[in-house]
Amino acid sequence: NAGVTQTPKFQVLKTGQSMTLQCAQDMNHNSMYWYRQDPGMGLRLIYYSASEGTTDKGEVPNGYNVSRLNKREFSLRLESAAPSQTSVYFCASSGQTNEKLFFGSGTQLSVL
Amino acid sequence: QKEVEQDPGPLSVPEGAIVSLNCTYSNSAFQYFMWYRQYSRKGPELLMYTYSSGNKEDGRFTAQVDKSSKYISLFIRDSQPSDSATYLCAMTPGPYNFNKFYFGSGTKLNVKP
Repeated sequence: NAGVTQTPKFQVLKTGQSMTLQCAQDMNHNSMYWYRQDPGMGLRLIYYSASEGTTDKGEVPNGYNVSRLNKREFSLRLESAAPSQTSVYFCASSGQTNEKLFFGSGTQLSVL
Repeated sequence: QKEVEQDPGPLSVPEGAIVSLNCTYSNSAFQYFMWYRQYSRKGPELLMYTYSSGNKEDGRFTAQVDKSSKYISLFIRDSQPSDSATYLCAMTPGPYNFNKFYFGSGTKLNVKP
């Protein structure tokens, strides 16, 4: 059982470049999330999707866009990467009652 | 003031010790409490999950919630070097609050052989 799968695991971008982080879950969960984790800042919610077809902003959405492609997949796009977006990004999902989160293994992104 | 406060450590203990990890919170609406273990360069792994006040035990791990004091704890008995990781507490008011998970900043634990 793979759970939540993220790709890529590592990525280096130059300022201004774009990229998409991919996430898929095989637990038939309705809700999916994108978090970033920075030293001293903890986990911060970027965007979430409560159900297929809906997306909403979290605490730090600026500079990001998301797409809920289907129930399994939720992607995060950086249109014009900035050094401030250097971080570790985690995708997560939760079931119908949404009282616990399951995380992927993360993407370490460096923007130079 | 942060919603959830957690001592960042690091906490260093000898193998076999009892470890106590703690978080305090300010929002009395929190009903569901979680502990995650995060190894270096890995994603957080759900370790313990508790609803409301009380204790929950799973092997060497015990989670305690004291809602009257707004305080939660994770105890690790007979700690092992493999327990060396960062431990994150998390909490939420309840189901269907999709953007209402609050995390502590994590306590780094090192168990020395």
